Amino acid sequence: AQSVTQLGSHVSVSEGALVLLRCNYSSSVPPYLFWYVQYPNQGLQLLLKYTSAATLVKGINGFEAEFKKSETSFHLTKPSAHMSDAAEYFCAVIKTGANNLFFGTGTRLTVIP
Amino acid sequence: KAGVTQTPRYLIKTRGQQVTLSCSPISGHRSVSWYQQTPGQGLQFLFEYFSETQRNKGNFPGRFSGRQFSNSRSEMNVSTLELGDSALYLCASSRKAGAVDEQYFGPGTRLTVT
Repeated sequence: AQSVTQLGSHVSVSEGALVLLRCNYSSSVPPYLFWYVQYPNQGLQLLLKYTSAATLVKGINGFEAEFKKSETSFHLTKPSAHMSDAAEYFCAVIKTGANNLFFGTGTRLTVIP
Repeated sequence: KAGVTQTPRYLIKTRGQQVTLSCSPISGHRSVSWYQQTPGQGLQFLFEYFSETQRNKGNFPGRFSGRQFSNSRSEMNVSTLELGDSALYLCASSRKAGAVDEQYFGPGTRLTVT
């Protein structure tokens, strides 16, 4: 069965430092993968998605993610953290045969000034 | 273009009561999906409606139901509320059915069951 695992429920980085949020998927076929962000008291916003067109996916707000089949990973990165990046980030997958999103447990990002 | 709106934003109900939540999708979007978010279980898919038909359903008891109207607005209903139903209920709309098409989420309805 397809699922995603997010390593680290909390990540803290200093402002200006690299952001790296980890997501591993388990799938027998290349899945559709997504990263969503949730700011306090708001819904989710799509950052980027992988649909097998390109392994390096660029998203909004300077985020990008690289699909690595050999590592079954889809980690989210941003070169330089801003205070406004503080939020909860969710990795998600669409399972074969279904058409809905299955979310990871989320990673809360704190940016230290 | 107005985003996805959900009403009410906050709701407090008592065990055993029922509740109806409403979601208005972005204009032109025909698919509405519902998700439940709790600290313990995270984000879980409830169901998806497209053109007034339920296309997909998650693993929730029959107390959870929904419907979609001809203008694509959707409602979800929870009957015989339990304490564990306390959650943030999110709805998302998209132009097409399925989740590959970008889903736009509303701010959610926070339901508290006492």
